[in-house]
Amino acid sequence: QKEVEQDPGPLSVPEGAIVSLNCTYSNSAFQYFMWYRQYSRKGPELLMYTYSSGNKEDGRFTAQVDKSSKYISLFIRDSQPSDSATYLCAMSGTSFQKLVFGTGTRLLVSP
Amino acid sequence: DGGITQSPKYLFRKEGQNVTLSCEQNLNHDAMYWYRQDPGQGLRLIYYSQIVNDFQKGDIAEGYSVSREKKESFPLTVTSAQKNPTAFYLCASSPAGTSGGVNEQYFGPGTRLTVT
Repeated sequence: QKEVEQDPGPLSVPEGAIVSLNCTYSNSAFQYFMWYRQYSRKGPELLMYTYSSGNKEDGRFTAQVDKSSKYISLFIRDSQPSDSATYLCAMSGTSFQKLVFGTGTRLLVSP
Repeated sequence: DGGITQSPKYLFRKEGQNVTLSCEQNLNHDAMYWYRQDPGQGLRLIYYSQIVNDFQKGDIAEGYSVSREKKESFPLTVTSAQKNPTAFYLCASSPAGTSGGVNEQYFGPGTRLTVT
């Protein structure tokens, strides 16, 4: 079993939809949770990071962490075709520890 | 304009040749990383460095070598011993070094290496 699981998709939605992207994990020591967006043939771009449980909002993006369920989510409101990309979750424990990445979910937003 | 640069964007080599990928950052970050990305496998850590003149093997270091002589630079050499070198290589940096801290990583644009 992988430490971090992420559905590869693709997830296809119409423009304007609310998108929910999710990751599950097995290591209860994870404290820091990050979401990256990667366009085709580009490097990943850090969207958001959260510490421990709770929600964090940034514009159309909301990151949610449920440590009791070992489940994290990224919500995208009013999705746009420009949001079409692969979304990677990543997480680590306290202090300096290596990031563990999910394999990514491909999102397609159609106009 | 701060960021991470990787060069070249595309690289082609014959089997049996060593090749060096460049990574430079001007973010004043302590830590730097090299990842390899293959379809369906996500990001796999090759090497990382938390401080100048020190580096550690990641999960798939065999067939690769690195150096960290300057804070800004972390070149990766793909040697002829690497069995499947064709991949997308990503360099990243993080403000978290040996003193700890949140390890949010910022990535460069990547180098696509093709070995035939």
